[in-house]
Amino acid sequence: GIQVEQSPPDLILQEGANSTLRCNFSDSVNNLQWFHQNPWGQLINLFYIPSGTKQNGRLSATTVATERYSLLYISSSQTTDSGVYFCAVGETSGSRLTFGEGTQLTVNP
Amino acid sequence: EAGVVQSPRYKIIEKKQPVAFWCNPISGHNTLYWYRQNLGQGPELLIRYENEEAVDDSQLPKDRFSAERLKGVDSTLKIQPAELGDSAVYLCASSLIWNEQFFGPGTRLTVL
Repeated sequence: GIQVEQSPPDLILQEGANSTLRCNFSDSVNNLQWFHQNPWGQLINLFYIPSGTKQNGRLSATTVATERYSLLYISSSQTTDSGVYFCAVGETSGSRLTFGEGTQLTVNP
Repeated sequence: EAGVVQSPRYKIIEKKQPVAFWCNPISGHNTLYWYRQNLGQGPELLIRYENEEAVDDSQLPKDRFSAERLKGVDSTLKIQPAELGDSAVYLCASSLIWNEQFFGPGTRLTVL
């Protein structure tokens, strides 16, 4: 099956810093989603982005499907951004999501 | 618009006991998913329904797990009997077919 690798696994920032999270995947995809899992375990949809670039406030994402990677940018980070960020992909042949291992982000005040 | 609803939020049981989880998807979403998330890992699919048909259950441990989606709306996932290794968060998600998935809050299961 498809492999999803996220980097870095852990990231510690000071409030106000910017960061870039990366997601590499091993095959063609028809779905790519970024999620933020908050401390209560809820998976919050950030972006549905199988290709192209999107922005939502301080967050933006870019997927280059032909090169099989996606990037999530967080600008001016806040303590509430802390949590685990997951990239998940759906293969062309089906719609199950395969998740990466996540990036644990800690933003310190 | 209401999101995906799951109950219970937490469940603690003794091993060998049965347990059931319930999910109500977003209205109009014909595809429903059950995922399991072990501590420190990303969720993994157990079963996917399109309407009332299970179209991907390759990862469901069929000796002890069962699921149903009567009338193509609500779904129930059951474990009987539960084992210690079943302790995890069970997540339900829904989507329009081939589209963005939305997740419920999950049920945190602890098997003692």
